[in-house]
Amino acid sequence: GAGVSQTPSNKVTEKGKYVELRCDPISGHTALYWYRQSLGQGPEFLIYFQGTGAADDSGLPNDRFFAVRPEGSVSTLKIQRTERGDSAVYLCASSLRGDNEQFFGPGTRLTVL
Amino acid sequence: TQLLEQSPQFLSIQEGENLTVYCNSSSVFSSLQWYRQEPGEGPVLLVTVVTGGEVKKLKRLTFQFGDARKDSSLHITAAQPGDTGLYLCAGANDYKLSFGAGTTVTVRA
Repeated sequence: GAGVSQTPSNKVTEKGKYVELRCDPISGHTALYWYRQSLGQGPEFLIYFQGTGAADDSGLPNDRFFAVRPEGSVSTLKIQRTERGDSAVYLCASSLRGDNEQFFGPGTRLTVL
Repeated sequence: TQLLEQSPQFLSIQEGENLTVYCNSSSVFSSLQWYRQEPGEGPVLLVTVVTGGEVKKLKRLTFQFGDARKDSSLHITAAQPGDTGLYLCAGANDYKLSFGAGTTVTVRA
């Protein structure tokens, strides 16, 4: 079966622009997570969805970051007024439930010039 | 700030040699997980350890969890070039994973 997919695989934008990153989880997985992985670091938790609602958004660095999952499947991570420090790989993961094994997508590499 | 410290940061060895990667935490987690990540891909779960003192074997990989459940190690016997990758440990509390910075392992043929 299909794994977690993320689009685009690469995104280059200019400082100050708005970007949207998309995640398609494994079908039937109710839990979805976003992580950010900076160069030379491990993934850092951003937000956790259970169904349509954000159960924990404590990892979002500031109010420029927002994520939605309106129908409990696909999720979009939105970043406003991008800064050079936002450059990283953004990983999405899904799991059957919140306490199950997480399956990661290949990530979106975001570069802010 | 990473709650888990991994060492060494980089490791380069010859095919057939053994290697050990360490993960130390300042906190106790409900479980500890080891992942391998290859370039351009997301991390893939290798093993989950839960009980203090637990040892798990996966072919040539041996995972240990310390008695106090704050440290763990990954030992690879007779490493092969296919073992090359970034090895990450992660502490798990319910749904939340806290990752270390990883150890980049290169196995030369």
